[in-house]
Amino acid sequence: AQKITQTQPGMFVQEKEAVTLDCTYDTSDPSYGLFWYKQPSSGEMIFLIYQGSYDQQNATEGRYSLNFQKARKSANLVISASQLGDSAMYFCAMREGGSNSGYALNFGKGTSLLVTP
Amino acid sequence: GAGVSQSPRYKVAKRGQDVALRCDPISGHVSLFWYQQALGQGPEFLTYFQNEAQLDKSGLPSDRFFAERPEGSVSTLKIQRTQQEDSAVYLCASSLELGGFGEQYFGPGTRLTVT
Repeated sequence: AQKITQTQPGMFVQEKEAVTLDCTYDTSDPSYGLFWYKQPSSGEMIFLIYQGSYDQQNATEGRYSLNFQKARKSANLVISASQLGDSAMYFCAMREGGSNSGYALNFGKGTSLLVTP
Repeated sequence: GAGVSQSPRYKVAKRGQDVALRCDPISGHVSLFWYQQALGQGPEFLTYFQNEAQLDKSGLPSDRFFAERPEGSVSTLKIQRTQQEDSAVYLCASSLELGGFGEQYFGPGTRLTVT
C-alpha cells in the first residue's frame, strides 16, 4: 500500500503568489516524521522542511510552511511568494518510528511545480 | 563545503555486466542510505548503514544488488549481471542523525543506463 500520496502530478503558479502542494500519508505508527524535498532538473534532492508527529506547531522555514493536519493525515507544503527558481519536482516523504518500521524514508511520486512570470 | 559526492555521475552498462557505484558521504555522518529513482518516480529505499553496519537491506530488489561500507565512510553499491530494469538514478544520502529521522543530505546521483 502506498504510504505517501501526492495527488497533483503538476501545478502552475504565478510568480509572487502562494501555492499549496498536497500530501497525505498512511501509517498506524504513532511516531513518525514527515519531510519535503525539492528536486530541480539538475537532479539533486534538497531538504526543505520537517514535521514530527508529536510537534505541536506547524513547521516553518522561511517561505516554506507545512500545514500539518494529523487527524486527516495530511502534510501539505505551502510556498509563499513563489519565485521562478522554485520550479522543480517536490517530494513528500515519511519516516516511521516504530521498532519494526525499518529505516526507509518513503517518498511519494512527486508534484512538478512550474512558476510562471 | 563538501557535500555528498557520487561517482561516476553517468554509467552505461551492457546487459549482464557488473557495475560499482561509489558514494562519499559528508565527513562524520554516521547514517548512509541508498535509493533507486526510476524515471518520473520518487526515490525508493534500498539500504541503510549505521557506520559500517548494514542495518536494513529490505529494499534491495534482488540478490544481484550488494552494498558495503567497510570503514564506516565510503560506500559502494554493486549490481551484478545488470538487467534493463536496473536503469535508474541511484541516489546516496547521509545524515548526522541515527536511523533516518534527521535531514538527509543527498548526492547528485549516478544515472545508470543498461543497454
